[in-house]
Amino acid sequence: GAVVSQHPSWVICKSGTSVKIECRSLDFQATTMFWYRQFPKQSLMLMATSNEGSKATYEQGVEKDKFLINHASLTLSTLTVTSAHPEDSSFYICSASLGRSSSYNEQFFGPGTRLTVL
Amino acid sequence: GESVGLHLPTLSVQEGDNSIINCAYSNSASDYFIWYKQESGKGPQFIIDIRSNMDKRQGQRVTVLLNKTVKHLSLQIAATQPGDSAVYFCAEMARDDKIIFGKGTRLHILP
Repeated sequence: GAVVSQHPSWVICKSGTSVKIECRSLDFQATTMFWYRQFPKQSLMLMATSNEGSKATYEQGVEKDKFLINHASLTLSTLTVTSAHPEDSSFYICSASLGRSSSYNEQFFGPGTRLTVL
Repeated sequence: GESVGLHLPTLSVQEGDNSIINCAYSNSASDYFIWYKQESGKGPQFIIDIRSNMDKRQGQRVTVLLNKTVKHLSLQIAATQPGDSAVYFCAEMARDDKIIFGKGTRLHILP
């Protein structure tokens, strides 16, 4: 159980276009989903926290107008990279939390999406 | 800035030997730590966790040690196998469930 999927697993796009990445919790309802970005040979950096039915909260330095997050249901969150540029090329990873407790809820990570902007 | 970091970027271990991966953290109020394994091109995989009220926790072939006095965390992998090759991250979870990842250590298994 507790499987998180991402789609697509990889995507190549032209500079200036927008790309949407989906994160789904397959067998549980996730009240909270998180989006991370990972550059090559670096660690995961939290970008934003996505709560179902409310606006996402972004970490310092992450442009909310560039990285649009929608969490329309308890099983789906989407990240849209708008007007993508080569420097946005990265590995984007989501995680989903059951959120049963007030704190320290286990998170389940997706397999990641490799974005390459030409 | 990051509150969790690692001492070594790479570690090479002979197959069958034990591996020890170290991690330092800076926030003395940190309460919950997690070790993740990440294989190339994949998402992080939970290995083991530990709360600050414990100093040791064991799983299958893995042990996590927590030394709150010196703010140090370690992951021990017994009888390292080729399948253990990956990047290992220590991470800290805050009360709002945000996870802060350390820099990572790449574990190489020598035949």
